[in-house]
Amino acid sequence: SAVISQKPSRDICQRGTSLTIQCQVDSQVTMMFWYRQQPGQSLTLIATANQGSEATYESGFVIDKFPISRPNLTFSTLTVSNMSPEDSSIYLCSVGGQAVSYGYTFGSGTRLTVV
Amino acid sequence: AQKVTQAQTEISVVEKEDVTLDCVYETRDTTYYLFWYKQPPSGELVFLIRRNSFDEQNEISGRYSWNFQKSTSSFNFTITASQVVDSAVYFCALSENEDFGNEKLTFGTGTRLTIIP
Repeated sequence: SAVISQKPSRDICQRGTSLTIQCQVDSQVTMMFWYRQQPGQSLTLIATANQGSEATYESGFVIDKFPISRPNLTFSTLTVSNMSPEDSSIYLCSVGGQAVSYGYTFGSGTRLTVV
Repeated sequence: AQKVTQAQTEISVVEKEDVTLDCVYETRDTTYYLFWYKQPPSGELVFLIRRNSFDEQNEISGRYSWNFQKSTSSFNFTITASQVVDSAVYFCALSENEDFGNEKLTFGTGTRLTIIP
């Protein structure tokens, strides 16, 4: 299955600033997915990033708050803009499996704390 | 719209007991995929199994087994002879469409499993 390198693994940020999270995949993939996991909660999809087109955002998430770049088939970034304490979460990127027996692979996550 | 329900928020069992985690799903598609993931305290998501909607065979992998029943829209997960290392949050998830790899996952709310030594 694909291997994803996600960074940073964690960060503590000041209110009002922005953080960019990077995900690098070791193989070319069509779609990359960005999820948020709020403390003690399940995973919620933020957006789907397809190379060469604008990301598709889920209800409740907007591009101005969570801009995404997808410059090629192995890389994507998610920016959390103008952060508030409510943005404190784990952010994960994911790609689909490339073989029948594989599931979706997830990055190790970015644990964000906004103070 | 697709939906995954994990009614058990938390379960605690004594080590070596068997435990079953329930998952009920809703979808309008005839082709879909079901998943189980484990999230240990370290936070990473560990893929356990993927099952497509046309394969209702039960699956066994070591101490883990899965029971898929389309008639009840359920995909339950059983751990036999539980161990302390099984303590984690377990998520059931669903993706619709046969374009596997390019469809989002919808997650259940998770079940926190605690194995008591």
